[in-house]
Amino acid sequence: IAGITQAPTSQILAAGRRMTLRCTQDMRHNAMYWYRQDLGLGLRLIHYSNTAGTTGKGEVPDGYSVSRANTDDFPLTLASAVPSQTSVYFCASSEGAGGADTQYFGPGTRLTVL
Amino acid sequence: GQNIDQPTEMTATEGAIVQINCTYQTSGFNGLFWYQQHAGEAPTFLSYNVLDGLEEKGRFSSFLSRSKGYSYLLLKELQMKDSASYLCAVVTNDYKLSFGAGTTVTVRA
Repeated sequence: IAGITQAPTSQILAAGRRMTLRCTQDMRHNAMYWYRQDLGLGLRLIHYSNTAGTTGKGEVPDGYSVSRANTDDFPLTLASAVPSQTSVYFCASSEGAGGADTQYFGPGTRLTVL
Repeated sequence: GQNIDQPTEMTATEGAIVQINCTYQTSGFNGLFWYQQHAGEAPTFLSYNVLDGLEEKGRFSSFLSRSKGYSYLLLKELQMKDSASYLCAVVTNDYKLSFGAGTTVTVRA
């Protein structure tokens, strides 16, 4: 089934631990994105990749890193988790990085940092 | 920074019509998306507007006025399954989406 998968579905993490959230798409989309969603704040862009091999910073990049080694995968790493990173994380992809390209979202990862 | 405003909550009766307004002040404008998000699920695409006017798609319609920095999503013949959050998102000058906080619509029988 075509789409975006994310893993894990949910995770409870101790502060200071390293964590990688996985995202894979099979639509051969060029652009991929990571958002966090917090109550009352809406979705905020963390990092993005317009094409394999390139990445860029979004609105809230601090404490997060990404890589885009190939078209399909776009992992998000928290080097040393802090409680303020407790959130729901959504990965998305779009065919291109232009304004009219619809973004398709994965099911999300619910992360709790204690 | 980006400023995208939409009401926090709305309640309507099954079979009725609801209009969700979105006003924006952003660094550039390259289109506006509406997404639907059911509780605990991913956002899903509803509509895209880049030119002024009304776009109709079944029970859902979306309107844009670029000069007023304003859009609305119109949901007609409401059904219980339409209970969800509706997200307004503007494509800014760097071709990235900037989202409003979302409007939670509750449909009552």
